[in-house]
Amino acid sequence: NAGVMQNPRHLVRRRGQEARLRCSPMKGHSHVYWYRQLPEEGLKFMVYLQKENIIDESGMPKERFSAEFPKEGPSILRIQQVVRGDSAAYFCASSPPGTGWDGDTEAFFGQGTRLTVV
Amino acid sequence: AQSVTQLGSHVSVSEGALVLLRCNYSSSVPPYLFWYVQYPNQGLQLLLKYTSAATLVKGINGFEAEFKKSETSFHLTKPSAHMSDAAEYFCAVAGGSYIPTFGRGTSLIVHP
Repeated sequence: NAGVMQNPRHLVRRRGQEARLRCSPMKGHSHVYWYRQLPEEGLKFMVYLQKENIIDESGMPKERFSAEFPKEGPSILRIQQVVRGDSAAYFCASSPPGTGWDGDTEAFFGQGTRLTVV
Repeated sequence: AQSVTQLGSHVSVSEGALVLLRCNYSSSVPPYLFWYVQYPNQGLQLLLKYTSAATLVKGINGFEAEFKKSETSFHLTKPSAHMSDAAEYFCAVAGGSYIPTFGRGTSLIVHP
């Protein structure tokens, strides 16, 4: 899982600022998944993207949150006007083309970005 | 719809003792099931996964899990705990969407 790179590892933002979290998938992976981990809770699915497409955003809050995965460059999770409740660890995972967690392949996680809103 | 329940937010064992972490799932279709381990300030690492082949699945670091359809369970076991096993363990289920839903996690504490 060291191949999935997330940065920054730690991010501190004041209330009302914007947070940008970056995820570079493993080489050859074109599927990216973002999860949020709140204290004392498991990982909550947020969004699933393929290159230039949002496939499933059923877990994304309706406001202030957006995600993209451009043709070139990392996937970005953007949180506008952050509030204290956004403080969490945000993880991304990547998987190869044509598959996700369905059996033969493995999706790999990055080390996460820990967002603190003060 | 799919969901996971991990029984016990904390499990404490002595070094050398049996490790048993419980997971029950719900899925409207035959599921894929996973156990992940998370060490402090790290990402998640796959321990093992069930993909409808053998019901007893062996993973890394001596862990194994057994899929029991009648009990909708996928409990994780290890015969002898090691200090290095202390971590957070997550069970996950992937049903029709193939995007896993994770449980709340169980913190494994290993005493010398």
